[in-house]
Amino acid sequence: GAGVSQSPRYKVTKRGQDVALRCDPISGHVSLYWYRQALGQGPEFLTYFNYEAQQDKSGLPNDRFSAERPEGSISTLTIQRTEQRDSAMYRCASSYQTSSGYNEQFFGPGTRLTVL
Amino acid sequence: AQSVTQLDSQVPVFEEAPVELRCNYSSSVSVYLFWYVQYPNQGLQLLLKYLSGSTLVESINGFEAEFNKSQTSFHLRKPSVHISDTAEYFCAVRRVSGANNLFFGTGTRLTVIP
Repeated sequence: GAGVSQSPRYKVTKRGQDVALRCDPISGHVSLYWYRQALGQGPEFLTYFNYEAQQDKSGLPNDRFSAERPEGSISTLTIQRTEQRDSAMYRCASSYQTSSGYNEQFFGPGTRLTVL
Repeated sequence: AQSVTQLDSQVPVFEEAPVELRCNYSSSVSVYLFWYVQYPNQGLQLLLKYLSGSTLVESINGFEAEFNKSQTSFHLRKPSVHISDTAEYFCAVRRVSGANNLFFGTGTRLTVIP
């Protein structure tokens, strides 16, 4: 079946512009995660959802970053008034719901954001 | 909080030679441990994981990792590498209970030289 998809794969924008990054999880996956990976670093957690509810947004760096998942499937990560330091690979992952135990997170290909 | 350290940012190795990619972690609670691999122009893929039980875990393509609780390590090894193993490898941890998000190391780029 289809994996996690993300769009666009590449995004170049000018400083100060808003961007919206999309994630389409694997069908049936309840949990959805966003990570950010700066050049030369590992992915860092941003936020995650179970269904449409945002469970944890502690990793969002500031209030310019927001995420939503209104129907419990596709999610959008929005960055307002982008800055050069926002340039990174943004990764989305999904998994079956976990209240206890382990469920594997499946990652999408990522969106490479470049802010000029 | 949890943290992961991968001291080697780049590891070049000749084809058919053995390799070890080091990973150490820090956590005040019990964690699951993972190795993810990213091949060129692809997304992150789970390579292997330690959840419980035997401390030695293996992947389908010949990699293995051993959980060492006393040394808080989860080093990745392969006795004989192939050109196709060239990739970036990330070690990660996740709390056993509570938040499900992963904490990643900074990655090790393995380059296999023909």
